[in-house]
Amino acid sequence: NAGVMQNPRHLVRRRGQEARLRCSPMKGHSHVYWYRQLPEEGLKFMVYLQKENIIDESGMPKERFSAEFPKEGPSILRIQQVVRGDSAAYFCASSPPGSREQFFGPGTRLTVL
Amino acid sequence: GIQVEQSPPDLILQEGANSTLRCNFSDSVNNLQWFHQNPWGQLINLFYIPSGTKQNGRLSATTVATERYSLLYISSSQTTDSGVYFCAVERIGNNRLAFGKGNQVVVIP
Repeated sequence: NAGVMQNPRHLVRRRGQEARLRCSPMKGHSHVYWYRQLPEEGLKFMVYLQKENIIDESGMPKERFSAEFPKEGPSILRIQQVVRGDSAAYFCASSPPGSREQFFGPGTRLTVL
Repeated sequence: GIQVEQSPPDLILQEGANSTLRCNFSDSVNNLQWFHQNPWGQLINLFYIPSGTKQNGRLSATTVATERYSLLYISSSQTTDSGVYFCAVERIGNNRLAFGKGNQVVVIP
């Protein structure tokens, strides 16, 4: 049973470009969470999704960031017009129905030049 | 939001030594997890332990939910135990984990 998959593992973007981060949850998991790890701020929750629904986006910046978890395919975290402050490690986690335990992917390390 | 405090922030151990890491939290929780972030940045699940005691090899954990703390024990430490240990909790009624700042552990041979 493969774990949570994230790609790409490393992403380099120039200021103003778009970044798309992908997350495939573990088989049978219907809940997806995104977290961001900034160097001086630690790990912070961004958004919680179920298939085709955003359940809690209270941790998402108000502008430039969006997330989706379509009926088919991976969850996508999209950052438009990236700035240097977006450089961070972005982690995806998933959990199965009826369980609160979250399993984390290896992360995507975004560097904005 | 819920506060999560981990202590000690930094710990240097001689290989073979034992250690205890502590996590205090400020509200009632229905999820508590311990993670190890290895030098490559990956978050490894150690324990899902909202209450009670669990053991896995040289690691064990205890959560006393009524007193709002959890302990992670590392016995006979090895250099591969180096890294940052995170405690994360989910407050009742929420759907997200709140992380502590971590315990940075360095095991020297």
